[in-house]
Amino acid sequence: DAGITQSPRHKVTETGTPVTLRCHQTENHRYMYWYRQDPGHGLRLIHYSYGVKDTDKGEVSDGYSVSRSKTEDFLLTLESATSSQTSVYFCAISELSRTQYFGPGTRLLVL
Amino acid sequence: GIQVEQSPPDLILQEGANSTLRCNFSDSVNNLQWFHQNPWGQLINLFYIPSGTKQNGRLSATTVATERYSLLYISSSQTTDSGVYFCAVVGETSGSRLTFGEGTQLTVNP
Repeated sequence: DAGITQSPRHKVTETGTPVTLRCHQTENHRYMYWYRQDPGHGLRLIHYSYGVKDTDKGEVSDGYSVSRSKTEDFLLTLESATSSQTSVYFCAISELSRTQYFGPGTRLLVL
Repeated sequence: GIQVEQSPPDLILQEGANSTLRCNFSDSVNNLQWFHQNPWGQLINLFYIPSGTKQNGRLSATTVATERYSLLYISSSQTTDSGVYFCAVVGETSGSRLTFGEGTQLTVNP
């Protein structure tokens, strides 16, 4: 299995609070991604990174920001969490258009 | 953007049965992957198959890129095959971004 960890694995927070999720890889892959999974929508791309300090938006980026200061870490921040951001968040890594490998996921509940 | 449709949405089998899952996509792709999401939520890579045929044990997959579809075959199904099977593609104009279908929920009964 690809070396991908996510932290925290579970989080409960309140509406309006900031939340940061971390993805850490040990594979030295150039590309990293954040997805969210919701019932009836499959997985949808939030943001992705194609190198250190290089990021771009996905299809559901509103309300989220990302940062990548090191190859191995990709952070997803919810500046002010809302109930609509309750979801399961997955990180993935890849080399260009090759196989994407997924982390174990983070379950976030916003009350 | 590229559209991905999977069928059937739900499938219930008896242990030992065979099945075929289908993935249709709306544009040319340079990446197609099949995943299995187990009941614990883990996403497991099954195949990277933008074209051609691959086999891994009881599972095999075929992608006909010119006709914009892929098939996942599961033979002699086992209860551990239960879960959701996703097809995901990267369109030729999508950089490296995967677009997922909504999945096929497979239940294998003993």
